[in-house]
Amino acid sequence: AQSVSQHNHHVILSEAASLELGCNYSYGGTVNLFWYVQYPGQHLQLLLKYFSGDPLVKGIKGFEAEFIKSKFSFNLRKPSVQWSDTAEYFCAVNAGSNYQLIWGAGTKLIIKP
Amino acid sequence: DTAVSQTPKYLVTQMGNDKSIKCEQNLGHDTMYWYKQDSKKFLKIMFSYNNKELIINETVPNRFSPKSPDKAHLNLHINSLELGDSAVYFCASSLRGQGASRGYTFGSGTRLTVV
Repeated sequence: AQSVSQHNHHVILSEAASLELGCNYSYGGTVNLFWYVQYPGQHLQLLLKYFSGDPLVKGIKGFEAEFIKSKFSFNLRKPSVQWSDTAEYFCAVNAGSNYQLIWGAGTKLIIKP
Repeated sequence: DTAVSQTPKYLVTQMGNDKSIKCEQNLGHDTMYWYKQDSKKFLKIMFSYNNKELIINETVPNRFSPKSPDKAHLNLHINSLELGDSAVYFCASSLRGQGASRGYTFGSGTRLTVV
């Protein structure tokens, strides 16, 4: 069965630290990949997406993600986090002809001021 | 056993018809959501209910009407369906203000196709 795994459920960092959140999926065909963010008390917002082309995609607020097909990964990165990045981050995959998304369990990121 | 269940999973209907999508969660959450995912895979929130009260109502046509008979159910009724309504609709639930670490759970989606 198709699945998406996010390696860490909780990540705690200090401001200015570098961030990398892992996301791996299990599907051998063409995929569309997404990272969503949910700030406290708010709904999900799209952070960035990959459909095709350059595997390094840039999103809002200084986030980027790299699609590595051979590793079935789509890790989210930010070189220097801010307190306002405290949120939950969801990786999601659309696989094949099934238009439904497969979601990771999410990672709660806490940035210490 | 399913935490957030939506029915039906697939729905094909003609323009002008009225249809409903049902959502139920058995997680004890107090907040439920409807999201719409269009053909480009963008996920957009439509409505959110907390304890049967509407708390988020994004700009959607009046043809869409959510109904929450209790905090475990959030149904979506759509009148006079149009071609542009074709999308995947996701139900989700959570404890208000909390997310993945405390149980933000999505349903598997309902794929609506209007012909």
